[in-house]
Amino acid sequence: QSVLTQPPSASGTPGQRVTISCSGRSSNIGSNTVNWYQQLPGTAPKLLIYSNSQRPSGVPDRLSGSKAGTSAFLAISGLQSEDEADYYCAVWDDSLKGWVFGGGTKLTVL
Amino acid sequence: EVQLVESGGGLVQPGGSLRLSCAASGFTFSSYWMAWVRQAPGKGLEWVANIMQDGNEKYYVDSVKGRFTISRDTANNLLYLQMDSLRAEDTAVYYCTRDNPFGAYWGQGALVTVSS
Repeated sequence: QSVLTQPPSASGTPGQRVTISCSGRSSNIGSNTVNWYQQLPGTAPKLLIYSNSQRPSGVPDRLSGSKAGTSAFLAISGLQSEDEADYYCAVWDDSLKGWVFGGGTKLTVL
Repeated sequence: EVQLVESGGGLVQPGGSLRLSCAASGFTFSSYWMAWVRQAPGKGLEWVANIMQDGNEKYYVDSVKGRFTISRDTANNLLYLQMDSLRAEDTAVYYCTRDNPFGAYWGQGALVTVSS
């Protein structure tokens, strides 16, 4: 299983706000900043959030990230059908000396 | 425009070797850490290895230590992953990705299938 724990699935209706969690430990989320990625079927991942809450240019502000202790969160407001994808968190782990990913959350827009 | 293009994937027998390449363009290759991330069929993302700008510092996930080697050719803007003693569980799409921040840009991926 993954070092970081994410719920395997999440869902919402268009316009709703959904939050995806990512739980880790002191050696990873507790010590370093978290990134979030979106992966559409059959495509490469895309960076959505870096340094816990920063958005790369082109990522809409209805996506936001936060961190509290050893957990991180990705919030998507104003849910749209095109948000249906897999979402992954990632962070550097000081003990493992490597990047670790969450297991991924499949977001379904009902 | 930043571009990362992987090549070298294919079918290989267990115990065999394969070398992946990633051609980088659109940025100053020598200024960034680079990494390989893989995704087994139907599974999540797994970081494999990364390498510092000058190639002097490298890190690997435990499952590939001693079997895989990451390297770079800064003169030609190329990133490599030499994979030896391949196992069935190494079957995956391998992505090349740029750091700062980690995963800022990704290639399209190269499929490696380890099977007899």
